[in-house]
Amino acid sequence: GQQLNQSPQSMFIQEGEDVSMNCTSSSIFNTWLWYKQDPGEGPVLLIALYKAGELTSNGRLTAQFGITRKDSFLNISASIPSDVGIYFCAGLQGAQKLVFGQGTRLTINP
Amino acid sequence: GAGVSQSPSNKVTEKGKDVELRCDPISGHTALYWYRQRLGQGLEFLIYFQGNSAPDKSGLPSDRFSAERTGESVSTLTIQRTQQEDSAVYLCASSSTGASWEQYFGPGTRLTVT
Repeated sequence: GQQLNQSPQSMFIQEGEDVSMNCTSSSIFNTWLWYKQDPGEGPVLLIALYKAGELTSNGRLTAQFGITRKDSFLNISASIPSDVGIYFCAGLQGAQKLVFGQGTRLTINP
Repeated sequence: GAGVSQSPSNKVTEKGKDVELRCDPISGHTALYWYRQRLGQGLEFLIYFQGNSAPDKSGLPSDRFSAERTGESVSTLTIQRTQQEDSAVYLCASSSTGASWEQYFGPGTRLTVT
């Protein structure tokens, strides 16, 4: 089946640093989403991207929908301790199903 | 209002036993999804319900897995004759019609098969 490749798989950064992660696919998606998952919780939607080339911000988060519709990136500026968690990208397949990446685990050293 | 709830939060069962996992979606959400998340992995789609339409079962890994939903409310995921490889977190999500990408997830049920 379709797969999304996320990189890096894990990141260890200092508090205050900026973070960048990306997601690529061999297939085209018409909607890209970024989720964050805290331990013991379900994923929470951070940003949704609906149009190729679109750049969207949500506070310190910025995400872009690649022009080829096969990739997306997520940036976090000035990281804080509560940014710790696993970040997943997801592509909408057809009208209803989401295909998820393997996740990027973010660890922040205070 | 209340979010998506799932029960039990944890389930330990012996290999070969059947288990039932429950999901209560957000009230008014017509779409309901089940996913499986193995340790350190992303989410795998299992099954999708939309209103009274026939469910999309294309992600169910074997005939030991089945799910039901009563109307637009509670759903149960049943795994028969559990195997150790079934150990995972099972996540449920719901969304409103026309916004299927804005899925709201429950906290999941952690299933351990011994």
